[in-house]
Amino acid sequence: AQTVTQSQPEMSVQEAETVTLSCTYDTSESNYYLFWYKQPPSRQMILVIRQEAYKQQNATENRFSVNFQKAAKSFSLKISDSQLGDTAMYFCAFMKYGNKLVFGAGTILRVKS
Amino acid sequence: EPEVTQTPSHQVTQMGQEVILRCVPISNHLYFYWYRQILGQKVEFLVSFYNNEISEKSEIFDDQFSVERPDGSNFTLKIRSTKLEDSAMYFCASSEALWGGGELFFGEGSRLTVL
Repeated sequence: AQTVTQSQPEMSVQEAETVTLSCTYDTSESNYYLFWYKQPPSRQMILVIRQEAYKQQNATENRFSVNFQKAAKSFSLKISDSQLGDTAMYFCAFMKYGNKLVFGAGTILRVKS
Repeated sequence: EPEVTQTPSHQVTQMGQEVILRCVPISNHLYFYWYRQILGQKVEFLVSFYNNEISEKSEIFDDQFSVERPDGSNFTLKIRSTKLEDSAMYFCASSEALWGGGELFFGEGSRLTVL
């Protein structure tokens, strides 16, 4: 069974600075997808970024980028130029064929002004 | 922008009562899911649904749970006889595609409190 581990329960960052959230996972699959979801206080989970395991190039979406290390089974999220609106719970998630997501425990990110 | 909507946002019920949580997925999506999050714990997969039948279910999804798509728009989760440990936030999600790591769109959740 796949597992996803987020070792940082809480993180803080100053506005405009850069922060990295860690995620590791365990799987025997070779083809899969990894995601970072954001859950603001309004509760709805929103997709931040997605990475296909067969792609070596790290995904980027504006201020969000990942460092995907397949051999190490590591998938960290870097947020550049942090904004107050980035304050949220961030979930790392794993998906193989079939669209069942396996979530990590989440990291609460607080952006301070 | 299309979104997944869930009702009710919060429901309080007595142990042993039946509860139905409702979801309206995005209209052109074909795959539907329920997840739950017990307070302070991980978001956990419950069930996936496609073509009017369950595609996959977790160990949590026992005989007390059922899902249904009674019409072309609603997707419901029924808990037949609620237990205290069913207290959680329940999230509905839908996706357009099954393969290719299709993005799941989540609703805002229904908080269930069982007393």
